[in-house]
Amino acid sequence: EVQLVESGGGLVQPGRSLRLSCAASGFTFDDYAMHWVRQAPGKGLEWVSGISWNSGKRGYGDSVKGRFTISRDNAKKSVYLEMNSLIPEDTALYYCARTWYGDHYMDVWGKGTTVTVSS
Amino acid sequence: QSALTQPASVSGSPGQSITISCTGTSSDVGGYNYVSWYQQHPGKAPKLMIFDVSNRPSGVSHRFSGSKSGNTASLTISGLQAEDESDYYCISYTSSSTYVFGSGTKVTVL
Repeated sequence: EVQLVESGGGLVQPGRSLRLSCAASGFTFDDYAMHWVRQAPGKGLEWVSGISWNSGKRGYGDSVKGRFTISRDNAKKSVYLEMNSLIPEDTALYYCARTWYGDHYMDVWGKGTTVTVSS
Repeated sequence: QSALTQPASVSGSPGQSITISCTGTSSDVGGYNYVSWYQQHPGKAPKLMIFDVSNRPSGVSHRFSGSKSGNTASLTISGLQAEDESDYYCISYTSSSTYVFGSGTKVTVL
């Protein structure tokens, strides 16, 4: 079964850091670019970051550029999101999603992990 | 990068057709045929409904269709059913090699 499972969320104070993980199974991980998408409580979807299959290309949304770093480990079939200098506006459910190499749409999503930034 | 513009809400009676618009710029929607649409029920992960403007993944009802004209993409749901009541989001690839979502549309079946 194709599956993406996010982990690492939690309650963190403003200014601190947190690292999210997304473990993939059931498909050839190296064939896919990976993304992080977030959804603040009661709000819409926001694309956060993406990374190509070989880590050669990485992109970030304007609201997280310079604070968040995406990475992947193909041997571990995992993608990560290192989040630094967290602010309350980063509070959201963070989804991991995949895009087949050369495509531009996300066909499989995880269930998400919740990040709450509060003192 | 500003969010793509979608109407906050659209409603229709069972059996009717509705259309949700998604307006961007020549740097995103207008510049690429890489617009996709997602359905999201409360508490659930988004589900892909349309990709590359007008393509439907296997398993998605033929009642869902997509199109684009200039800087505006559209999702049409024909033969509206109660199960279609949900939130819908568009997303486009951009000239910065990033992606931008639409603001989201709540579809209500009257």
